[in-house]
Amino acid sequence: AQSVAQPEDQVNVAEGNPLTVKCTYSVSGNPYLFWYVQYPNRGLQFLLKYITGDNLVKGSYGFEAEFNKSQTSFHLKKPSALVSDSALYFCAVMGRRALTFGSGTRLQVQP
Amino acid sequence: GAGVSQSPSNKVTEKGKDVELRCDPISGHTALYWYRQSLGQGLEFLIYFQGNSAPDKSGLPSDRFSAERTGGSVSTLTIQRTQQEDSAVYLCASSRDSPSNTEAFFGQGTRLTVV
Repeated sequence: AQSVAQPEDQVNVAEGNPLTVKCTYSVSGNPYLFWYVQYPNRGLQFLLKYITGDNLVKGSYGFEAEFNKSQTSFHLKKPSALVSDSALYFCAVMGRRALTFGSGTRLQVQP
Repeated sequence: GAGVSQSPSNKVTEKGKDVELRCDPISGHTALYWYRQSLGQGLEFLIYFQGNSAPDKSGLPSDRFSAERTGGSVSTLTIQRTQQEDSAVYLCASSRDSPSNTEAFFGQGTRLTVV
């Protein structure tokens, strides 16, 4: 079975500071990993994905994620947070079947 | 269309009634997914269609839930004899081909309220 864990329900960070949203995964075979963001009253939007290649993946809105096979992690990062980054973030893994999502992490960026 | 379209956007129904939720995927996308999101919670996988293959129904929570995809395009999720615990946002997504190759694009969802 495939699964994703997002250990933090909420992450608080001050505007301008770096942010990290954690994700670990469990899947048979090579993982395909994704990050999605959900703004209030909006649908999910794709941020970035890791399929193969460089462990550091760059995505939309200045976000990036680092794939770490030994730690089975795929943490989302951004060097300088914006208030407008405040949203619900979901990590997802694709194994032998459809995308399996984590429980989500609410990011709150304070001015 | 430009994106995944879901209808209705909101649905209020009485307990025990049947409801149908519709999803129009992006044209040409062979993969289609249904998820359920309870208030402020994560996404619960329901069902996955890929081309002409048999759908993966492993996420459907009970036999009151069913889904079909006609002509490899539009999909309908049906909930029979609705219960209050069925209240949630039902999200549909589609992707161009194998989900390992392309990202999924989500619709805005249908907010179902069972009263």
